[in-house]
Amino acid sequence: DAGVIQSPRHEVTEMGQEVTLRCKPISGHDYLFWYRQTMMRGLELLIYFNNNVPIDDSGMPEDRFSAKMPNASFSTLKIQPSEPRDSAVYFCASSLAGWGFQPQHFGDGTRLSIL
Amino acid sequence: AQSVTQLGSHVSVSEGALVLLRCNYSSSVPPYLFWYVQYPNQGLQLLLKYTSAATLVKGINGFEAEFKKSETSFHLTKPSAHMSDAAEYFCAVSDDSGGSNYKLTFGKGTLLTVNP
Repeated sequence: DAGVIQSPRHEVTEMGQEVTLRCKPISGHDYLFWYRQTMMRGLELLIYFNNNVPIDDSGMPEDRFSAKMPNASFSTLKIQPSEPRDSAVYFCASSLAGWGFQPQHFGDGTRLSIL
Repeated sequence: AQSVTQLGSHVSVSEGALVLLRCNYSSSVPPYLFWYVQYPNQGLQLLLKYTSAATLVKGINGFEAEFKKSETSFHLTKPSAHMSDAAEYFCAVSDDSGGSNYKLTFGKGTLLTVNP
């Protein structure tokens, strides 16, 4: 089975531009998570969805960040306007329901560089 | 709120030697505990998970971890390191305390290097 698919794998853009990161979860998974990984802060949960509905977005750093899940097979994370401090690796993960016993499956990430 | 501390950001071992990666957690309720591995330019992969069924948990690639409640620890071990084990390892904790029970809190990670 295909795993979690993220695109693009790398993104380089200039400060102030809009950035859109995309994620296709594993088919049949009920939960979708967006994480950000940096050297300074490690791996941080930004937001997660259950059955396409955002449940907890307390990790979203600022209003410049937004996430949507229009259907069970697609999610986006947008940054507008982007800033150099947003440079990081962004991961999407998905899992089945019954979360306490179900592992999260991670995509390979999007490496974002804001110049 | 739960937290995870991984002692040692970098561990270096010789091929064939014991691997020991340390993880201590704090949680107000019985936790679920996980070890993930990350290879360069890849996402995290689950190595093993503790869900209170047994204190010694066996995972993939010969790794295992022991849950010790009295020490609030969940250290990861492998008897004999292989070159392919070189990666970054993350310990993670969750709890079942109402609104936060879907969040994983990750440690900062331990980079394992294996010397020939």
